[in-house]
Amino acid sequence: DVKVTQSSRYLVKRTGEKVFLECVQDMDHENMFWYRQDPGLGLRLIYFSYDVKMKEKGDIPEGYSVSREKKERFSLILESASTNQTSMYLCASSPSNIQYFGAGTRLSVL
Amino acid sequence: QQPVQSPQAVILREGEDAVINCSSSKALYSVHWYRQKHGEAPVFLMILLKGGEQKGHEKISASFNEKKQQSSLYLTASQLSYSGTYFCGTERRSGGGADGLTFGKGTHLIIQP
Repeated sequence: DVKVTQSSRYLVKRTGEKVFLECVQDMDHENMFWYRQDPGLGLRLIYFSYDVKMKEKGDIPEGYSVSREKKERFSLILESASTNQTSMYLCASSPSNIQYFGAGTRLSVL
Repeated sequence: QQPVQSPQAVILREGEDAVINCSSSKALYSVHWYRQKHGEAPVFLMILLKGGEQKGHEKISASFNEKKQQSSLYLTASQLSYSGTYFCGTERRSGGGADGLTFGKGTHLIIQP
């Protein structure tokens, strides 16, 4: 079974803090993704990576950055968290076209 | 552009059928379907490729009309376990989904006993 693990299920941070969301996959997948999920908006792609140290912007990259130093790990970084970044964040990995999602991190920015 | 899903929500009795539609304003290379149960991760159901190919998964099947840029998901004789939110996803570019998917806003399906 493919396992995509997100380090935290729930996080509470303060406005202006630097926030790291971590994601690890155990299937040697090339591609990894970060989405955010908001009620009524569905899942929206923030960033993705198709190789170590490679990254590309998705549809809503503003306010976020990513890091992929190792193949199995993909981190999402909020440089200065804001209240409008309160959301559910989903990580996914993929060998080609099927995406395997983690359980999500619910981030609240106060 | 996000694909448009309809209906937004549907409530069924166990054993009834449902159809969920997904349409796009841009040319589609493929359509992906996922289901998310409350509090869980989205789970892949199937991919529909160009050519109107129909795929099936348990009693769930789907079609893809590339000319109309539409896909439909058919749930036959629905079971309680089918409850959840269904998302269609379209490829952002022609890379087979390797550069991510653009998802619709989802269709909430509630199956009652």
